[in-house]
Amino acid sequence: AQKITQTQPGMFVQEKEAVTLDCTYDTSDPSYGLFWYKQPSSGEMIFLIYQGSYDQQNATEGRYSLNFQKARKSANLVISASQLGDSAMYFCAMREGAGYALNFGKGTSLLVTP
Amino acid sequence: EPEVTQTPSHQVTQMGQEVILRCVPISNHLYFYWYRQILGQKVEFLVSFYNNEISEKSEIFDDQFSVERPDGSNFTLKIRSTKLEDSAMYFCASGYGNYEQYFGPGTRLTVT
Repeated sequence: AQKITQTQPGMFVQEKEAVTLDCTYDTSDPSYGLFWYKQPSSGEMIFLIYQGSYDQQNATEGRYSLNFQKARKSANLVISASQLGDSAMYFCAMREGAGYALNFGKGTSLLVTP
Repeated sequence: EPEVTQTPSHQVTQMGQEVILRCVPISNHLYFYWYRQILGQKVEFLVSFYNNEISEKSEIFDDQFSVERPDGSNFTLKIRSTKLEDSAMYFCASGYGNYEQYFGPGTRLTVT
């Protein structure tokens, strides 16, 4: 079974608009961490934001926020005020318990249009 | 801002040859990782390394693979006898705690 599901293979958003990228996860471990990474066409993986399962508040980093809904097992990434440079692949990932491995989803391709 | 670096950026090798991919993690980080991404697919975990030993490895990380931290700064991934299916982007990552992983720019390995 997939641990991380990203159901949107591709998304479009207009510049300056907000966009939500969906991520649902599957784990029975009460302790886990959720990550979002951006992969531009140049290929590098850029860390965006982290949410721990015990964190009381949703994580925010600049224009990025994570809409963490524990009961629904979702960890959606919200990008506010989209910029052309936000066009990239976005990957959601999870680390479970005391493990070290990040388990990645298949990604969502975001295109920001003028 | 400190970053993870990887060399080379692109490596072409013939099937059956040994390759060593090199990484310099961020200097005060304690946890080190290798991942790979076959073209068009998701990123897959290979191995994690902490306190000079492998802390976790995936099914992909078989006897053909090994990792080493030969000195205080480098972290290497060796593939003993490359196969066509080893062609992928290989990412090194590091973190101070095991709740963060900062990735390097990747090495594209092409096996012919």
